[in-house]
Amino acid sequence: DTGVSQNPRHKITKRGQNVTFRCDPISEHNRLYWYRQTLGQGPEFLTYFQNEAQLEKSRLLSDRFSAERPKGSFSTLEIQRTEQGDSAMYLCASSSVGTTYEQYFGPGTRLTVT
Amino acid sequence: RKEVEQDPGPFNVPEGATVAFNCTYSNSASQSFFWYRQDCRKEPKLLMSVYSSGNEDGRFTAQLNRASQYISLLIRDSKLSDSATYLCVVILRSGNTGKLIFGQGTTLQVKP
Repeated sequence: DTGVSQNPRHKITKRGQNVTFRCDPISEHNRLYWYRQTLGQGPEFLTYFQNEAQLEKSRLLSDRFSAERPKGSFSTLEIQRTEQGDSAMYLCASSSVGTTYEQYFGPGTRLTVT
Repeated sequence: RKEVEQDPGPFNVPEGATVAFNCTYSNSASQSFFWYRQDCRKEPKLLMSVYSSGNEDGRFTAQLNRASQYISLLIRDSKLSDSATYLCVVILRSGNTGKLIFGQGTTLQVKP
C-alpha cells in the first residue's frame, strides 16, 4: 500500500499523559500536513512541513503540541500533558509542491483522553 | 464567524434525485476552491476543484461565484454510494502553504 499511513489508529490515554503519533506520507511527496477533526466538524489545520522544515503552525497548536519531520520523510506529532479537549481525530496528509490542493489523507489517529 | 460555512444537513434524498449544496466563504483573499468527500469514519478525499467558469465531472457540477463568495455542488441522479459528507474547502492567496480551510461539511443520505 503506497498511501499515507498513520500509527496508532486509536489511542486512549489518561489526562496528563504524553502521547506521540506517527505519519508516513506518500514517498515522493515533500509536503506533509497535520489536521485535527472533531465530531461534526471539518478538519482544522495544525501545521505543515516542506521537507524537514516546519513552515507554519496554527494558533490551535499550543505549547503542549510539537511536531517534527526529522529527515523529510515520516513525521511525529507529540502532545504533552494531554487534556480532555485534545480528544479528536488527528489526520495527516501529504502532497507534492505542484499540487498542494490535492492532499492525500491518512486514516487518522483517534485520540481519547479520559 | 467561520471562514467557510456550510449547512450541515443532513440532506435525505431518494435515489435518482438531484441535490444541491451551498457554501459561503468570508475571506476575499481566498484563491482556490474545492469539494472534498468524506465517507463515514474515513479520511477526506478530493472530489473536484471549483472554477469560476463552472465545471462538471459526470453527475457532479461545481460552481463558483466570487462576487457573492459562494460555492455550490450539484449532484444529479443520486446513487446510494453518494451518501457521504461533502466538505467545502478553500485555499487563501497569501503564501503558498497549501493549507486547506474546511467547512464543517454537509451530510447527504441517499435512500433507496
